[in-house]
Amino acid sequence: NAGVMQNPRHLVRRRGQEARLRCSPMKGHSHVYWYRQLPEEGLKFMVYLQKENIIDESGMPKERFSAEFPKEGPSILRIQQVVRGDSAAYFCASSPLDGSTDTQYFGPGTRLTVL
Amino acid sequence: GDSVTQMEGPVTLSEEAFLTINCTYTATGYPSLFWYVQYPGEGLQLLLKATKADDKGSNKGFEATYRKETTSFHLEKGSVQVSDSAVYFCALDEKLTFGTGTRLTIIP
Repeated sequence: NAGVMQNPRHLVRRRGQEARLRCSPMKGHSHVYWYRQLPEEGLKFMVYLQKENIIDESGMPKERFSAEFPKEGPSILRIQQVVRGDSAAYFCASSPLDGSTDTQYFGPGTRLTVL
Repeated sequence: GDSVTQMEGPVTLSEEAFLTINCTYTATGYPSLFWYVQYPGEGLQLLLKATKADDKGSNKGFEATYRKETTSFHLEKGSVQVSDSAVYFCALDEKLTFGTGTRLTIIP
């Protein structure tokens, strides 16, 4: 059973460009969470999604950031018009649909660098 | 709101030393508590967890006990190894609220 997969692992963008980060949850998992880790800081919750639904986006910046988890395909975290302050590691985690565990399983992360 | 206060790092210990990393929390209700470990260049891995008061989570020689009376979940290990060098995060509940992390370095 493959773990949570994220791609790309490293992403470089210039200011003003768009960044698209992908997350494929573990097989059988239908809950996806996105976190951001700024340099030398802990992880901060951004958004919690189930298939085709955003359940909690209380940690998402109000502008430029969006997330989706379509019926088919990976979850996407999209950052429009990136700025230097968006440089961080973005982690995705997944957990099972049936709520059998509150444990989240993390992907390896995407390290975004904005030049 | 919910919060986690974690022992500041970095922590440097000699191999075979005893380790304690403090973690206290503020939360309504009875959250589940977790310790995650992040090795260099990798994502977080669940180390251990506890879901109710007085539960003890344990894994790879690490232990932590859910103490409701002191709202704490301190991580301990009796004899650390060089391979334990990593960043350790305390967290609570499903929408994981993380501490800031403690960087641990073990020297041979």
